[in-house]
Amino acid sequence: GAGVSQTPSNKVTEKGKYVELRCDPISGHTALYWYRQSLGQGPEFLIYFQGTGAADDSGLPNDRFFAVRPEGSVSTLKIQRTERGDSAVYLCASSPQEGNTEAFFGQGTRLTVV
Amino acid sequence: GQQLNQSPQSMFIQEGEDVSMNCTSSSIFNTWLWYKQDPGEGPVLLIALYKAGELTSNGRLTAQFGITRKDSFLNISASIPSDVGIYFCVSRRGSQGNLIFGKGTKLSVKP
Repeated sequence: GAGVSQTPSNKVTEKGKYVELRCDPISGHTALYWYRQSLGQGPEFLIYFQGTGAADDSGLPNDRFFAVRPEGSVSTLKIQRTERGDSAVYLCASSPQEGNTEAFFGQGTRLTVV
Repeated sequence: GQQLNQSPQSMFIQEGEDVSMNCTSSSIFNTWLWYKQDPGEGPVLLIALYKAGELTSNGRLTAQFGITRKDSFLNISASIPSDVGIYFCVSRRGSQGNLIFGKGTKLSVKP
């Protein structure tokens, strides 16, 4: 498809389990962003990639969260030892390049930790 | 950290009315963006502003980048039911870096 694709759309996991969330950016977009959105809040920045490298990971809340983008395209957000407080919608966005350009968002993955 | 203060938090208006919402910050920004989010969807860009004082329109939407570079407003004229959603002001540190979101203004339109 032409837009940012995120899978799965919904994920329910038990507390303590490991989860992976996938983002397929728009083809050719070099910048990729991950955000987390809790109910009734605006999206909060987690990490962004320029190409294969994490240009800024200052938003990752702790070392249970990790993200990779090994070939500069698809990215995976990994959460270890999930906690109930990790429940949120995880949004991915991509941009053609860094700078003043539009970020296109996917529909998000709704993660529920029970 | 840098915060964007968005107001009002929510609005209930009659179809056909005009809407105004704004965003302020104690920090100076070089970019102001306005996004709209529908339920179950990701945010979609409505208007982008890159210069202080810039006034830009997109159909019934008009947004301005404040002269001080610390604020922006969004106006919607003659609202219609499909304007319902959450509107976010968004900014960026310099010309690079991540996007910072306000907490959003939830708009409800009564037909």
